[in-house]
Amino acid sequence: AQSVTQPDIHITVSEGASLELRCNYSYGATPYLFWYVQSPGQGLQLLLKYFSGDTLVQGIKGFEAEFKRSQSSFNLRKPSVHWSDAAEYFCAVALSSGSARQLTFGSGTQLTVLP
Amino acid sequence: GAGVSQTPSNKVTEKGKYVELRCDPISGHTALYWYRQSLGQGPEFLIYFQGTGAADDSGLPNDRFFAVRPEGSVSTLKIQRTERGDSAVYLCASSATNTEAFFGQGTRLTVV
Repeated sequence: AQSVTQPDIHITVSEGASLELRCNYSYGATPYLFWYVQSPGQGLQLLLKYFSGDTLVQGIKGFEAEFKRSQSSFNLRKPSVHWSDAAEYFCAVALSSGSARQLTFGSGTQLTVLP
Repeated sequence: GAGVSQTPSNKVTEKGKYVELRCDPISGHTALYWYRQSLGQGPEFLIYFQGTGAADDSGLPNDRFFAVRPEGSVSTLKIQRTERGDSAVYLCASSATNTEAFFGQGTRLTVV
C-alpha cells in the first residue's frame, strides 16, 4: 500500500521568508501527487497537483512543487511567505491507475508565520 | 451549489446513539468520497461512490459504519452505536471523472 510521510510536524517562518515543506511517498509506480491546505474551520483546498509531464508544477497562491522521482519526493515551496499562509498543509497521493481517486494523506505540517 | 456542502457542521451525540451525516456534492460530480480526520492526523479514506454504488468501502472501520447514495447525488454516512473513538471530523469530497477531488468543510462529530 502507498504511504506518505511529512517529516515536519510544525514549521515556523518569518513573513517574507522562503518556505519548503517536505513530502516523501512510498509507492511502486509514480502516483498522482497533491498538496492541500487546510485553514482553521475550513475544508481542504487544493494548492497544486502532479499527474505527469513537467516535474515543476505551479499552483495557486504562489506555491510550487517539484516532483523528484529518484528521491520519491514532492516538496512544496514558496519564495516569500505571507501571514495568510499560516495553515496546515497536507501532501497526498492517489493511485495512478484505475478510475478511483481515493487519496492517501500525510499527517500534515502546521505552518506558523511570524510577523 | 458552488461547492461541496456538509451538514451539520457540528454534531454532539451520546455514546451508543445513531448519527447521520449528510453530503451534497458539486452538481454533476459522479464520484463521491468520505474521509475521516482525527485530531492531529491527515484525512483517512472511508468509502468511495461512483454514481449510486459503493465502488470501494475498504476504509470503513467496522460494520457500525455505512454510507448510501441512493440517487447518485446526495450521500449519507451513517454510524450506529457511536463510540467515543468515532469523534473526528468527517470530510466529504466529490470529483468529476479523472479530476481532482473538491472537499467540503466537514462535520465535526463529538461523541460524549
